[in-house]
Amino acid sequence: TQLLEQSPQFLSIQEGENLTVYCNSSSVFSSLQWYRQEPGEGPVLLVTVVTGGEVKKLKRLTFQFGDARKDSSLHITAAQPGDTGLYLCAGSYSGAGSYQLTFGKGTKLSVIP
Amino acid sequence: ETGVTQTPRHLVMGMTNKKSLKCEQHLGHNAMYWYKQSAKKPLELMFVYNFKEQTENNSVPSRFSPECPNSSHLFLHLHTLQPEDSALYLCASSQSFTGEFHGYTFGSGTRLTVV
Repeated sequence: TQLLEQSPQFLSIQEGENLTVYCNSSSVFSSLQWYRQEPGEGPVLLVTVVTGGEVKKLKRLTFQFGDARKDSSLHITAAQPGDTGLYLCAGSYSGAGSYQLTFGKGTKLSVIP
Repeated sequence: ETGVTQTPRHLVMGMTNKKSLKCEQHLGHNAMYWYKQSAKKPLELMFVYNFKEQTENNSVPSRFSPECPNSSHLFLHLHTLQPEDSALYLCASSQSFTGEFHGYTFGSGTRLTVV
């Protein structure tokens, strides 16, 4: 069973602060994705990282894939209330002709104005 | 309409009822998925369909019965559920295995409460 551990589980910060959340596994994934889920909605894809050591930036969000492709981090600079939500990491693997994802439990982020 | 649409958004059913969840996508994807999201647990993969064929049944109880009549529609038929089946049921779609993976597109989910 491939497991993804996310930390911290909960994070409450003031607007303007920086934060980092982590996603770790003992398994190697062909790619790793980050999703954000808002209450009452489905997860929305933020980024996919594929290459070990890869860094991707999406405005104030910086995503990094570990060299061994087992872990990843998400750093948010100058957090805003609109960043509030559940951040999920997911590792992908190929199965029976389609891509399947293993999800972590998520980090619930609250940004206080 | 684009994206993945799930209906109904909310459902309350008794343990002896029979109901169905519907999912529809117009993204040209050939793979569709049902996931269960419960509090304090990771999303749990339930079923995978690739080109209308079921390729994965992740040890799901038989009281959940999927149906995929074509690549754009996916159903989850429910009967004699238990209170512990109360959860958010998410449908997703993606490209089939063609090399590069562009991720899942999720619907908004059906919030199911079994009473």
